[in-house]
Amino acid sequence: DAEITQSPRHKITETGRQVTLACHQTWNHNNMFWYRQDLGHGLRLIHYSYGVQDTNKGEVSDGYSVSRSNTEDLPLTLESAASSQTSVYFCASSEGRGHSYEQYFGPGTRLTVT
Amino acid sequence: GDSVTQMEGPVTLSEEAFLTINCTYTATGYPSLFWYVQYPGEGLQLLLKATKADDKGSNKGFEATYRKETTSFHLEKGSVQVSDSAVYFCALRSLSGGYQKVTFGTGTKLQVIP
Repeated sequence: DAEITQSPRHKITETGRQVTLACHQTWNHNNMFWYRQDLGHGLRLIHYSYGVQDTNKGEVSDGYSVSRSNTEDLPLTLESAASSQTSVYFCASSEGRGHSYEQYFGPGTRLTVT
Repeated sequence: GDSVTQMEGPVTLSEEAFLTINCTYTATGYPSLFWYVQYPGEGLQLLLKATKADDKGSNKGFEATYRKETTSFHLEKGSVQVSDSAVYFCALRSLSGGYQKVTFGTGTKLQVIP
């Protein structure tokens, strides 16, 4: 069965360190997204990609970067982790650009920055 | 800009009670509307969706009707079960200049007690 996976599921890191969160999907979807989930804010879009070599900033992109070298993967990098980036991160993918297409979500990565 | 407002939780109900979780939205154009469910420790799963006015989405006993006149998409279930305990997110997706934008509400936690 097709799926979307994230790794690691839990990560503790120190302030200032570079951290990369992995996202891998086997749906063969062109569109991939990264969100962070915080109490009182719901999900907020960090970055998104509509295809290989395409990346775009979302509403809370500062301090994060992504790259898309193939269809299956969209790793999220925190260049210099800050305590404000402690959160749960979700990756998602969707088939098409039309607004009726649903997004499929990964299980999430809980990141703690100490 | 687009926004989604959900009733604040937590909502605590006894098993077999009737459930309503209110959701209202503001958006330009004609968005699609979604309800997602998140079980503890998991990612979001699509529960139901509606893509145009007066559409009714339904799944697993849950229903929601796209009401354009009241800009609402309230989630209902006639008889909840303990297994329905989760966090429910209302979301809308709109297209703006080819950009597929998804806006989530802050989530409503539902606890069903036996």
